[in-house]
Amino acid sequence: QVQLVQSGAEVKKPGASVKVSCKASQYTFTSYYMHWVRQAPGQGLEWMGVINPSGGSTSYAQKFQGRVTMTSDTSTSTLYMELSSLRSEDTAVYYCARGSHTGTANYHFFDYWGQGTLVTVSS
Amino acid sequence: DIVMTQSPDSLAVSLGERATMNCKSSQSVLYSSNSKNYLAWYQQKPGQPPKLLIYWASTRESGVPDRFSGSGSGTDFTLTISSLQAEDVAVYYCQQYDTSPATFGQGTKLEIK
Repeated sequence: QVQLVQSGAEVKKPGASVKVSCKASQYTFTSYYMHWVRQAPGQGLEWMGVINPSGGSTSYAQKFQGRVTMTSDTSTSTLYMELSSLRSEDTAVYYCARGSHTGTANYHFFDYWGQGTLVTVSS
Repeated sequence: DIVMTQSPDSLAVSLGERATMNCKSSQSVLYSSNSKNYLAWYQQKPGQPPKLLIYWASTRESGVPDRFSGSGSGTDFTLTISSLQAEDVAVYYCQQYDTSPATFGQGTKLEIK
């Protein structure tokens, strides 16, 4: 069974950065696009960007351009999402989610999700 | 960005009855070259991540009960639960993946009447 296990909750001050990890198992890590989606408390879902773990190419939502960096470590099958210049509006649960096979087109729908990481931004 | 609007915001249905919810996109998500609608549906229960139910507007994900079905094309889509079970209480989201950024509806909260 595919598993995506994320790092624990974080509390950060405004202006700081946060780095969330997502360790994948039970499938070929480099064969699927991986996405990050966030959800503010009591709110809907917001797509942040996608990474191809094989090679590391990325595409980010314009809203997060310049503030987000997605990386992958193929040796440990782990993804990372770093968000900088945090503000209170960034308080949310951050999810990693598996997308389509890299041998197909990059369809942005998600069949497996991590358990989520709550990032709280507060002074 | 494509705006996804779901209706109603909340819905109360009796056990065993049909539940129907709608999703409208601000522009068509039908890709003419392959005649596919780039539309997915997810179910999210409290404290859990979303779960994929439907993709390509009407293709049920493996393991999803057949009481869940998706329909529609272009800009108007529907998720139907044919006979509501207690475990179906959740928030349901539609999502378009035709144009980046992928965008989600605001959700429909489904409860038991």
